Amino acid sequence: GENVEQHPSTLSVQEGDSAVIKCTYSDSASNYFPWYKQELGKRPQLIIDIRSNVGEKKDQRIAVTLNKTAKHFSLHITETQPEDSAVYFCAPKGGSQGNLIFGKGTKLSVKP
Amino acid sequence: DTGVSQDPRHKITKRGQNVTFRCDPISEHNRLYWYRQTLGQGPEFLTYFQNEAQLEKSRLLSDRFSAERPKGSFSTLEIQRTEQGDSAMYLCASSLRPAGSTDTQYFGPGTRLTVL
Repeated sequence: GENVEQHPSTLSVQEGDSAVIKCTYSDSASNYFPWYKQELGKRPQLIIDIRSNVGEKKDQRIAVTLNKTAKHFSLHITETQPEDSAVYFCAPKGGSQGNLIFGKGTKLSVKP
Repeated sequence: DTGVSQDPRHKITKRGQNVTFRCDPISEHNRLYWYRQTLGQGPEFLTYFQNEAQLEKSRLLSDRFSAERPKGSFSTLEIQRTEQGDSAMYLCASSLRPAGSTDTQYFGPGTRLTVL
């Protein structure tokens, strides 16, 4: 089955700095690569996703880059704000499966 | 209401009791997923439905767990003879799967189960 690893597990940045979280996966058939944000006690919320036929996608301060050859994709947050503080999960989906496989999460802390 | 809803939001039960949770997906969504999340971990897949059909079940879904989606709309997840290890947040997600496309999953608020 799919093996998903996420790094780092914790990340602390100063407000205004950039944050990068990397996710590696093992299933070469994976074709969908979302990132979810989960605040304490809340549901996971999709913040950005990318399909396998695209290398990069950007939405305001958030971007995702995909390297299918190396089997990893990364979340980039620029100009971080305290409200970006949360746990972020990558959750690639295999080609033959309907479900998402979540990483263990990265706890991002943005210090004012 | 345009989002995924779950009921109840919290459930406290004694070991050995049966519990049932309900999930109402976004109305036009044909796929419905159940995940379980324990503290400090990412959600783990349990099972999913496309319309009424249960298409996949995880090895995590022991024979004490059963899920249904009888009319292709809401779904129920039942846990029989609960154990303390069943304590977790149970999350439901739904998606619209058109042919030839990859669906985006939207999560409900979850049901937090505590087994005493």
